[in-house]
Amino acid sequence: SQTIHQWPATLVQPVGSPLSLECTVEGTSNPNLYWYRQAAGRGLQLLFYSVGIGQISSEVPQNLSASRPQDRQFILSSKKLLLSDSGFYLCAWSVRGIGELFFGEGSRLTVL
Amino acid sequence: AQSVTQLDSHVSVSEGTPVLLRCNYSSSYSPSLFWYVQHPNKGLQLLLKYTSAATLVKGINGFEAEFKKSETSFHLTKPSAHMSDAAEYFCVVSDMFSGGYNKLIFGAGTRLAVHP
Repeated sequence: SQTIHQWPATLVQPVGSPLSLECTVEGTSNPNLYWYRQAAGRGLQLLFYSVGIGQISSEVPQNLSASRPQDRQFILSSKKLLLSDSGFYLCAWSVRGIGELFFGEGSRLTVL
Repeated sequence: AQSVTQLDSHVSVSEGTPVLLRCNYSSSYSPSLFWYVQHPNKGLQLLLKYTSAATLVKGINGFEAEFKKSETSFHLTKPSAHMSDAAEYFCVVSDMFSGGYNKLIFGAGTRLAVHP
Protein backbone atom coordinates (compact mmCIF):
# COMPACT_ATOMS: atom_id res chain seq x y z
CA SER A 1 0.00 0.00 0.00
CA GLN A 2 1.01 3.60 -0.49
CA THR A 3 2.20 5.81 2.35
CA ILE A 4 3.30 9.40 2.58
CA HIS A 5 5.75 10.73 5.13
CA GLN A 6 6.25 14.37 5.97
CA TRP A 7 8.72 15.95 8.41
CA PRO A 8 9.39 17.66 10.64
CA ALA A 9 5.98 17.63 12.31
CA THR A 10 6.62 20.85 14.20
CA LEU A 11 9.06 23.66 13.56
CA VAL A 12 9.68 26.99 15.28
CA GLN A 13 11.97 29.30 13.34
CA PRO A 14 13.08 32.93 13.66
CA VAL A 15 12.31 35.47 10.96
CA GLY A 16 15.01 35.45 8.31
CA SER A 17 16.09 31.87 8.87
CA PRO A 18 15.95 29.17 6.16
CA LEU A 19 13.34 26.44 5.86
CA SER A 20 13.31 22.90 4.56
CA LEU A 21 10.28 20.62 4.77
CA GLU A 22 10.52 17.19 3.24
CA CYS A 23 7.94 14.76 1.93
CA THR A 24 8.39 11.25 0.56
CA VAL A 25 5.90 8.80 -0.90
CA GLU A 26 6.25 5.03 -0.83
CA GLY A 27 4.49 2.30 -2.75
CA THR A 28 3.79 4.15 -6.00
CA SER A 29 5.66 5.45 -9.02
CA ASN A 30 5.36 8.69 -11.00
CA PRO A 31 2.94 10.36 -8.59
CA ASN A 32 1.80 13.93 -8.83
CA LEU A 33 3.04 15.77 -5.74
CA TYR A 34 1.62 18.85 -4.05
CA TRP A 35 2.37 21.33 -1.28
CA TYR A 36 -0.56 23.08 0.38
CA ARG A 37 -0.63 25.67 3.15
CA GLN A 38 -3.39 26.05 5.68
CA ALA A 39 -3.18 29.34 7.56
CA ALA A 40 -5.12 29.82 10.80
CA GLY A 41 -8.81 30.31 10.11
CA ARG A 42 -8.36 29.93 6.37
CA GLY A 43 -8.82 27.19 3.85
CA LEU A 44 -6.24 25.22 1.94
CA GLN A 45 -4.07 27.06 -0.53
CA LEU A 46 -2.18 25.15 -3.21
CA LEU A 47 1.41 26.37 -3.26
CA PHE A 48 3.21 24.04 -5.67
CA TYR A 49 2.58 20.95 -7.70
CA SER A 50 4.87 18.63 -9.62
CA VAL A 51 4.08 16.14 -12.36
CA GLY A 52 7.64 14.78 -12.61
CA ILE A 53 11.24 15.03 -11.46
CA GLY A 54 12.48 18.59 -11.74
CA GLN A 55 9.06 19.84 -12.90
CA ILE A 56 7.65 22.37 -10.47
CA SER A 57 4.70 24.68 -10.97
CA SER A 58 3.83 27.48 -8.60
CA GLU A 59 0.25 28.56 -8.01
CA VAL A 60 0.96 31.79 -6.18
CA PRO A 61 3.93 34.14 -5.92
CA GLN A 62 5.56 33.89 -2.54
CA ASN A 63 8.65 33.55 -0.43
CA LEU A 64 8.84 29.80 -0.86
CA SER A 65 10.24 27.39 -3.43
CA ALA A 66 9.88 23.68 -4.10
CA SER A 67 12.05 21.01 -5.60
CA ARG A 68 11.62 17.41 -6.67
CA PRO A 69 15.05 15.80 -6.80
CA GLN A 70 13.68 12.24 -6.98
CA ASP A 71 10.46 10.69 -8.24
CA ARG A 72 8.91 10.32 -4.79
CA GLN A 73 10.56 13.18 -2.91
CA PHE A 74 9.22 16.70 -2.66
CA ILE A 75 10.91 19.50 -0.72
CA LEU A 76 9.58 22.88 0.32
CA SER A 77 12.18 25.55 1.03
CA SER A 78 12.76 29.15 1.86
CA LYS A 79 15.98 31.14 2.09
CA LYS A 80 14.57 33.70 4.53
CA LEU A 81 11.34 33.11 6.42
CA LEU A 82 8.74 35.82 6.96
CA LEU A 83 6.19 36.03 9.76
CA SER A 84 3.49 35.44 7.16
CA ASP A 85 4.99 32.04 6.31
CA SER A 86 3.60 30.61 9.56
CA GLY A 87 1.00 27.95 9.00
CA PHE A 88 0.27 24.27 8.60
CA TYR A 89 1.93 22.78 5.53
CA LEU A 90 0.54 19.68 3.91
CA CYS A 91 2.16 17.47 1.33
CA ALA A 92 -0.05 15.31 -0.87
CA TRP A 93 0.20 12.88 -3.74
CA SER A 94 -2.14 11.58 -6.41
CA VAL A 95 -2.21 9.20 -9.30
CA ARG A 96 -1.18 11.08 -12.42
CA GLY A 97 -4.02 13.26 -13.65
CA ILE A 98 -7.06 11.77 -11.95
CA GLY A 99 -8.87 11.26 -8.71
CA GLU A 100 -8.35 12.17 -5.14
CA LEU A 101 -5.31 13.44 -3.27
CA PHE A 102 -3.73 11.62 -0.35
CA PHE A 103 -2.31 13.85 2.35
CA GLY A 104 0.57 13.60 4.78
CA GLU A 105 0.23 14.38 8.46
CA GLY A 106 1.33 17.97 8.05
CA SER A 107 4.08 20.23 9.37
CA ARG A 108 3.26 23.07 11.75
CA LEU A 109 5.58 26.04 11.11
CA THR A 110 5.72 28.96 13.51
CA VAL A 111 7.87 31.91 12.53
CA LEU A 112 8.75 34.24 15.42
CA ALA B 1 -14.99 27.65 -13.35
CA GLN B 2 -15.69 25.13 -10.65
CA SER B 3 -16.48 26.24 -7.11
CA VAL B 4 -17.79 24.75 -3.88
CA THR B 5 -19.71 26.33 -1.02
CA GLN B 6 -20.08 24.81 2.40
CA LEU B 7 -23.20 26.34 3.81
CA ASP B 8 -22.32 26.08 7.50
CA SER B 9 -19.01 27.06 9.07
CA HIS B 10 -19.96 25.38 12.37
CA VAL B 11 -22.35 22.54 13.18
CA SER B 12 -23.04 21.28 16.67
CA VAL B 13 -24.84 18.01 17.43
CA SER B 14 -25.37 15.73 20.38
CA GLU B 15 -23.82 12.30 20.46
CA GLY B 16 -26.14 9.74 18.90
CA THR B 17 -28.08 12.28 16.78
CA PRO B 18 -27.83 12.61 12.98
CA VAL B 19 -25.20 14.70 11.26
CA LEU B 20 -25.84 16.84 8.15
CA LEU B 21 -23.05 18.89 6.60
CA ARG B 22 -24.18 20.83 3.55
CA CYS B 23 -22.24 21.43 0.36
CA ASN B 24 -23.22 23.02 -2.95
CA TYR B 25 -21.02 23.01 -6.00
CA SER B 26 -20.80 24.80 -9.29
CA SER B 27 -19.46 23.02 -12.32
CA SER B 28 -19.89 23.32 -16.05
CA TYR B 29 -19.50 19.59 -16.50
CA SER B 30 -20.04 16.40 -14.54
CA PRO B 31 -17.67 16.81 -11.61
CA SER B 32 -15.83 14.51 -9.25
CA LEU B 33 -16.67 15.37 -5.67
CA PHE B 34 -15.01 14.44 -2.39
CA TRP B 35 -15.40 14.85 1.34
CA TYR B 36 -12.31 15.02 3.52
CA VAL B 37 -12.03 15.10 7.32
CA GLN B 38 -9.28 16.80 9.30
CA HIS B 39 -8.72 16.25 13.02
CA PRO B 40 -6.73 18.92 14.90
CA ASN B 41 -3.12 19.17 13.76
CA LYS B 42 -3.54 16.24 11.39
CA GLY B 43 -3.59 15.79 7.66
CA LEU B 44 -6.73 15.41 5.58
CA GLN B 45 -8.30 11.97 5.29
CA LEU B 46 -10.57 11.02 2.43
CA LEU B 47 -14.06 10.10 3.67
CA LEU B 48 -15.71 9.36 0.35
CA LYS B 49 -15.76 10.28 -3.33
CA TYR B 50 -18.28 10.59 -6.15
CA THR B 51 -17.09 9.93 -9.67
CA SER B 52 -20.29 9.65 -11.76
CA ALA B 53 -21.25 6.15 -10.66
CA ALA B 54 -23.94 5.64 -7.99
CA THR B 55 -25.37 8.91 -6.71
CA LEU B 56 -25.44 7.67 -3.10
CA VAL B 57 -21.86 7.21 -1.98
CA LYS B 58 -20.88 5.36 1.15
CA GLY B 59 -17.67 6.22 2.91
CA ILE B 60 -15.69 5.32 5.97
CA ASN B 61 -16.88 5.60 9.58
CA GLY B 62 -20.57 5.40 8.63
CA PHE B 63 -20.64 8.57 6.54
CA GLU B 64 -22.43 8.85 3.23
CA ALA B 65 -23.23 11.56 0.72
CA GLU B 66 -25.78 11.94 -2.05
CA PHE B 67 -25.01 13.61 -5.35
CA LYS B 68 -28.02 15.63 -6.53
CA LYS B 69 -27.38 17.17 -9.91
CA SER B 70 -30.68 19.08 -10.01
CA GLU B 71 -29.80 20.79 -6.73
CA THR B 72 -26.02 20.91 -7.36
CA SER B 73 -25.57 19.53 -3.88
CA PHE B 74 -23.37 16.90 -2.25
CA HIS B 75 -24.40 16.87 1.41
CA LEU B 76 -22.63 14.65 3.92
CA THR B 77 -24.68 12.67 6.44
CA LYS B 78 -24.27 10.18 9.24
CA PRO B 79 -27.18 8.59 11.15
CA SER B 80 -25.60 8.76 14.58
CA ALA B 81 -22.75 11.02 15.66
CA HIS B 82 -19.86 9.78 17.78
CA MET B 83 -17.60 11.92 19.89
CA SER B 84 -14.71 10.93 17.62
CA ASP B 85 -16.48 12.60 14.66
CA ALA B 86 -15.63 16.04 16.04
CA ALA B 87 -13.36 17.52 13.38
CA GLU B 88 -13.29 19.84 10.37
CA TYR B 89 -14.86 18.60 7.16
CA PHE B 90 -14.05 19.79 3.66
CA CYS B 91 -16.16 19.43 0.56
CA VAL B 92 -14.01 19.33 -2.57
CA VAL B 93 -14.69 19.46 -6.31
CA SER B 94 -12.23 18.39 -8.94
CA ASP B 95 -11.50 20.96 -11.62
CA MET B 96 -11.02 19.94 -15.20
CA PHE B 97 -7.96 17.87 -15.95
CA SER B 98 -5.45 20.57 -16.69
CA GLY B 99 -1.72 20.50 -17.11
CA GLY B 100 -1.50 16.90 -15.95
CA TYR B 101 -2.34 17.52 -12.32
CA ASN B 102 -5.44 17.10 -10.19
CA LYS B 103 -6.68 20.58 -9.43
CA LEU B 104 -8.99 20.32 -6.43
CA ILE B 105 -11.18 23.20 -5.29
CA PHE B 106 -11.69 23.11 -1.50
CA GLY B 107 -14.62 24.49 0.41
CA ALA B 108 -13.95 26.69 3.42
CA GLY B 109 -14.68 23.82 5.80
CA THR B 110 -17.33 22.99 8.39
CA ARG B 111 -16.29 22.46 11.97
CA LEU B 112 -18.36 19.72 13.58
CA ALA B 113 -18.73 19.70 17.36
CA VAL B 114 -20.24 16.67 19.10
CA HIS B 115 -21.59 17.07 22.63
CA PRO B 116 -22.21 14.29 25.14
